[in-house]
Amino acid sequence: KQEVTQIPAALSVPEGENLVLNCSFTDSAIYNLQWFRQDPGKGLTSLLLIQSSQREQTSGRLNASLDKSSGRSTLYIAASQPGDSATYLCAVRPDSNYQLIWGAGTKLIIKP
Amino acid sequence: DTAVSQTPKYLVTQMGNDKSIKCEQNLGHDTMYWYKQDSKKFLKIMFSYNNKELIINETVPNRFSPKSPDKAHLNLHINSLELGDSAVYFCASSYSGGLSNEQFFGPGTRLTVL
Repeated sequence: KQEVTQIPAALSVPEGENLVLNCSFTDSAIYNLQWFRQDPGKGLTSLLLIQSSQREQTSGRLNASLDKSSGRSTLYIAASQPGDSATYLCAVRPDSNYQLIWGAGTKLIIKP
Repeated sequence: DTAVSQTPKYLVTQMGNDKSIKCEQNLGHDTMYWYKQDSKKFLKIMFSYNNKELIINETVPNRFSPKSPDKAHLNLHINSLELGDSAVYFCASSYSGGLSNEQFFGPGTRLTVL
């Protein structure tokens, strides 16, 4: 059974720092992996999607990597800003169906 | 333009009542989903419809009944509401063809059962 874990559960850093959020999954048979952002009381915004055949995806200051064999993905945020404060969720789509299996999220606070 | 919309955004109701949450997407997607996010922030799939047909039905009480009148809509009806149904419910959609099947989410409906 696929399980997704995100570490750390919470992270607080000063503005301007580069940081890494981690996501691990137990079954390497995945179709793709998505990183989402959730602001308090709001919906989920898709940030990056990595196909199982890809190693990384980039969007602006965000870079997501995928190592299927070790069951890991990282989300790298460069030059963090207070507006990056949110909960970041990692979700894996198994090979077999359309559903997403979710991690519990990392709550990120960027201090001005 | 709103891509995935849900109504209502907030719903407060008494135990035992029946309520519905509506979802609409204007992205031309053929697959829609309902997720439940509990107080610990875990998201779990409840249902998924592809071209108006049920393809995923996780272990959800049969008090929850999804209805998809067309590909752009997936509504969730809940009978005999219980305290444990309090959560945020998210609707999402995706396109089953193509490479990514990226899912796009609505803003959520916060259901509080008193």
